[in-house]
Amino acid sequence: AQSVTQLDSHVSVSEGTPVLLRCNYSSSYSPSLFWYVQHPNKGLQLLLKYTSAATLVKGINGFEAEFKKSETSFHLTKPSAHMSDAAEYFCVVYKGGSQGNLIFGKGTKLSVKP
Amino acid sequence: NAGVTQTPKFRVLKTGQSMTLLCAQDMNHEYMYWYRQDPGMGLRLIHYSVGEGTTAKGEVPDGYNVSRLKKQNFLLGLESAAPSQTSVYFCASSLINEQFFGPGTRLTVL
Repeated sequence: AQSVTQLDSHVSVSEGTPVLLRCNYSSSYSPSLFWYVQHPNKGLQLLLKYTSAATLVKGINGFEAEFKKSETSFHLTKPSAHMSDAAEYFCVVYKGGSQGNLIFGKGTKLSVKP
Repeated sequence: NAGVTQTPKFRVLKTGQSMTLLCAQDMNHEYMYWYRQDPGMGLRLIHYSVGEGTTAKGEVPDGYNVSRLKKQNFLLGLESAAPSQTSVYFCASSLINEQFFGPGTRLTVL
């Protein structure tokens, strides 16, 4: 069965420093993986997705994630945090089977200090 | 394109009252979903639909019903609201595996 674990519930960084949000997945086959972002009182927006093409995936707003099969990880990174990056981030795996079902991690709240 | 819209944005109910949440999408997507979001729980799937006239149960379906009479609309009903249904409800639609989300409905049941 597919599952996803976000290793940190809260990450705090200073503006201009790197961001690392960690995600491990469990899947019996090559998964499709996503990162979504949710700004306060807003809906979810797709940041990036991995669907078995390039292992390094670039997304919007300078974010990228690397798929590492040997480590079953899909960590989200950004070289330099901006105040507007403060939000909650969800790592998501495509469940397959029943069409379109996604399994969400519990979320990582990113705080950015000036 | 409006994308995915949800009505209403906020609602307060008393225990035992009923209500319907409306989701509409203008992207001609076949698949639509209802999720609830609770603190520290991520999003959990309530019900979903793979096409007009079809619905299926998700992870947490109890206490909810849905209908998909038109391709562009997906309705979520609460027949007898309970305080445990206090949550933020998100609707989403998709073509394949990338889902597009609405802005959410914040529901409080007293």
